Formats: sequence, structure tokens, C-alpha cells
Amino acid sequence: LAKTTQPISMDSYEGQEVNITCSHNNIATNDYITWYQQFPSQGPRFIIQGYKTKVTNEVASLFIPADRKSSTLSLPRVSLSDTAVYYCLVDIYNQGGKLIFGQGTELSVKP
Amino acid sequence: DSGVTQTPKHLITATGQRVTLRCSPRSGDLSVYWYQQSLDQGLQFLIHYYNGEERAKGNILERFSAQQFPDLHSELNLSSLELGDSALYFCASSKDRGNTIYFGEGSWLTVV
Repeated sequence: LAKTTQPISMDSYEGQEVNITCSHNNIATNDYITWYQQFPSQGPRFIIQGYKTKVTNEVASLFIPADRKSSTLSLPRVSLSDTAVYYCLVDIYNQGGKLIFGQGTELSVKP
Repeated sequence: DSGVTQTPKHLITATGQRVTLRCSPRSGDLSVYWYQQSLDQGLQFLIHYYNGEERAKGNILERFSAQQFPDLHSELNLSSLELGDSALYFCASSKDRGNTIYFGEGSWLTVV
């Protein structure tokens, strides 16, 4: 089965830019890539979604290379409140509706 | 507020009992997904319903079952509960495949 792979954890400092990369080697033509943020004991929150190239919204950017086998979530100027787990989700078309999350990346932002 | 409503927010029950968790999807969303998240664990996909029909099944135990009703709300039934079933259970909804899914705040189940 196709799956996503992310770093288990990352550390950063306030004000820095953080880039979290997710690999998804088996991504199919119809699949979108979506990133979520989760705080402890809360439901995952949608951050950004993309299909190819670059997408930007008010909180993040998503970079997807031409081969689409990976994607990078970029968080500009992080703050302490960005400390959370970040999940990359690929809607694997050939899995027929199973939305499988990877293990996520635990981001710790320090003062 | 994602628009996905889950009840109850917290539930404590004894081993061997049965509970029902309820999910109301966002208005207009036809797909409902259920996930289990144990303490310090990732999100485990349980099951996906689309417009009342089961679309995909994950690692859902035989003691667990779900359904989606004509008004599109969904229920997750957990029976013969064990201590290891203690977890956060999340419901998420979307309009359809490829659309963003939005999560509820979860139902905390504690089995004692």
C-alpha cells in the first residue's frame, strides 16, 4: 500500500522558517496532498492542500515538485503556538477511500 | 469550528459494555470518516461512509461497527469494550473524494 513518510520530530526557534518534507512515492495522478495540524487532545485542523507546484495561503506554503513524489510544508516565522504534530495526507485514489495518515511530525518551537 | 459535531465529548464506561458515538457532518458533506487515536499514537483509519454506503474499511475490530443514516449523520458502535479501546475517536467529513476533510473535536472514551 502507498504510504507517506515524514520526519518523526523537528525542533525550531521562534521567528524561524520551518520546512517539513513528506515523501509519497506511490502517489497517483488523481491524488491531492493535504497537510493538517494537531494539538494534543484536539481534532486535526486543515492547513493547506495542493496538487502540483506551489500553493500559498495566509498561514503556510506547500511546495510540490514536478514528479509529485514528495511535498514540503513551509511555515514562515513560527511562534510557540505552532508547536504541534503535522500530518501529511495523500488521498490515495487506488485505495478506494481509505484516508491513511502517516505518523506525523512533532514540531517543537522554542523561545 | 470545523462544522463537524461529535457527541458525547467524554465517556467513561466499564469493560464489557457497549457505547455509541455520534457524528454530524458539515452541511452538504456526504462522506464521513472515523478514526481512532490512542494516547500518544497516530490516527488510525477505521471506516469511511459515503451517502449511506460503506466505502472503505480500515483496521476496524469486529466488535466495532458503524453506519450512516439518511440524514447523513453517522454512529460508531463499540461493543464488548476492553481497556485497550480507551482512546480519542474522531469523525471527519468531506463532500467527496479529493475534497478537504474536516475533523470534529473527538469523543474521549475511557474504559475502566
